[in-house]
This record gives sequence, C-alpha cells and structure tokens, in this order.
Amino acid sequence: DAKTTQPNSMESNEEEPVHLPCNHSTISGTDYIHWYRQLPSQGPEYVIHGLTSNVNNRMASLAIAEDRKSSTLILHRATLRDAAVYYCILYNQGGKLIFGQGTELSVKP
Amino acid sequence: EPEVTQTPSHQVTQMGQEVILRCVPISNHLYFYWYRQILGQKVEFLVSFYNNEISEKSEIFDDQFSVERPDGSNFTLKIRSTKLEDSAMYFCASSPGPYKTSGYTFGSGTRLTVV
Repeated sequence: DAKTTQPNSMESNEEEPVHLPCNHSTISGTDYIHWYRQLPSQGPEYVIHGLTSNVNNRMASLAIAEDRKSSTLILHRATLRDAAVYYCILYNQGGKLIFGQGTELSVKP
Repeated sequence: EPEVTQTPSHQVTQMGQEVILRCVPISNHLYFYWYRQILGQKVEFLVSFYNNEISEKSEIFDDQFSVERPDGSNFTLKIRSTKLEDSAMYFCASSPGPYKTSGYTFGSGTRLTVV
C-alpha cells in the first residue's frame, strides 16, 4: 500500500484558514487521494477526495500538486469543531482504507 | 443524511465469551467493512465484505472473527471467544461500490471492553 506522510500535529486559530499538508511520493496513477477526519470519541468521517484536479466541497478544498506527489487539505475558516485528527489516505477503487497516524489539529479560540 | 448505525454503543463481556456487534449500513451501499481502534492507537482494517463474501481480511481477522450479512440490512461481526486484547472501538463502514469514487461512511462505533 502506498504511504503518506503528514505532520503529527498542527495548531490553528479560530476563523483562520488551515492548510494541512500530505506527501505521497509513491502514489500510483490509479490512487485517489482521500481525506478523513476523526473527532474525539467518534468514528472517522469522510472529508473530500480527488484524483488529479483540485476539488471543493462544503467542508473543505483539496489542492493536488501537478505531479500528484503531494496534496493539501484546506479548511477555509477553522472552527472549534474542526479540532480532530486528519488522515490523508491513498485509495485504490475496490481496495481498503489504510489509516496512518494522521495530523492532530488543534484550534485555539 | 444517510448514516451507518451500530449497536450496542458499549458492550462489556467476560473473557472467553462470544460477542456479536451489529451494524446497519447505508441501504444502497454494496461494500461493507469492519475496522477497530485500540485506545490511543491507529484505526486498523479488519475485513471487507462484498457480494455476500469476504473480499479481503487483515492478519488481525483470525479464526476467532467472522462476519455475516444475515438479511438485507444488517452486517454483523462475531468474536467467538473474546480476549483482553480485543478491547477496542469497533467501527463499521460502508461504501457505494468499486466503481463509485465517493468515500466510506463510518458508524459511531461500539466500544467493546473485555474483562
């Protein structure tokens, strides 16, 4: 399974944008880039995914590098409820999600 | 918004006892999964299930574990003879299918405590 590298932790101030980086230099052409988050005491929650182009949804934006070896999850205005562990996962259709340690995001009021 | 429902939310069992964890996946999803998370550790894949059979399983999913889809709505995980190290949060998940690119939907989990 292709691996991803994320910082262990990041801090943000409330109502400011947050950029969560992910490196995936061994990504294959068929790997989708998925992001999930896990709030305290809850199950993982799907955030966004993409293949080559940047993606936006109501929760976040995903910026994918042109060579696809890295990506950035963008929360446009962090709220206290966005404090969670964020996982960047390479996913091949029909395969399984493999969770790493993720990035623990803390949001300060 | 459709959700994956898991019951019970908490289960305490004695070592050696059998437990069944239950899940109701999203109705039009075709792939079903069980994951677990030991306290303070990573979320670990256990098993995936498609077309009424196991499509993939991890090393954790040994002969003590089994899964079943007994009817059109429920998806269960059975642990035949629980051990202390089976204590964890167990998450069920479902996804639309191999040719759909949307993400998994996870349930809120069952906290299993083996004493």
